[in-house]
Amino acid sequence: DAGVIQSPRHEVTEMGQEVTLRCKPISGHNSLFWYRQTMMRGLELLIYFNNNVPIDDSGMPEDRFSAKMPNASFSTLKIQPSEPRDSAVYFCASSFDGGNSYEQYFGPGTRLTVT
Amino acid sequence: GQSLEQPSEVTAVEGAIVQINCTYQTSGFYGLSWYQQHDGGAPTFLSYNALDGLEETGRFSSFLSRSDSYGYLLLQELQMKDSASYFCAGANNRKLIWGLGTSLAVNP
Repeated sequence: DAGVIQSPRHEVTEMGQEVTLRCKPISGHNSLFWYRQTMMRGLELLIYFNNNVPIDDSGMPEDRFSAKMPNASFSTLKIQPSEPRDSAVYFCASSFDGGNSYEQYFGPGTRLTVT
Repeated sequence: GQSLEQPSEVTAVEGAIVQINCTYQTSGFYGLSWYQQHDGGAPTFLSYNALDGLEETGRFSSFLSRSDSYGYLLLQELQMKDSASYFCAGANNRKLIWGLGTSLAVNP
């Protein structure tokens, strides 16, 4: 298996622009998680989906952030408009409920820089 | 609230044993997970303790005591490649609540 795939790997954008991050989970996994990692705040869960349905979005910072999972093999995290404080590494992870559902497989991350 | 505490940094030498502690204050945790993250990389799963006691996987072992709200990761026969950040994470209804991580430096 190719593992969790994220794109782009790096994104540099100007404040106010829209940013869309993409994730393809591991085939057969039914839970998908979006995380943000910074030195100051560590690894924060933004939102997670189970069977394509958003279950918990309490970690989404504000209305500028939105996430979708239109099907089992694709999810997006959108920031509009972006701000410098959004600069971070964004990880997507997936897991399978039937096994150890707390064993999450992470993608390589998207390093976002907002100037 | 839900929080996990672990030391920010640990230093050890090759071949030694190191223990990284994690204490948590929360209700509803089903268990404790540990992840490793190398600089510039993604977190990778090491272990999950659903029950009290010690789980061993090769050079790494993980321990959980629910009554003490405490767990630890034990790394034996340390190698230079073990230099990384180690995160404990509390399991709660399919999601994980993460500690801030412990940076382990293994010196020759």
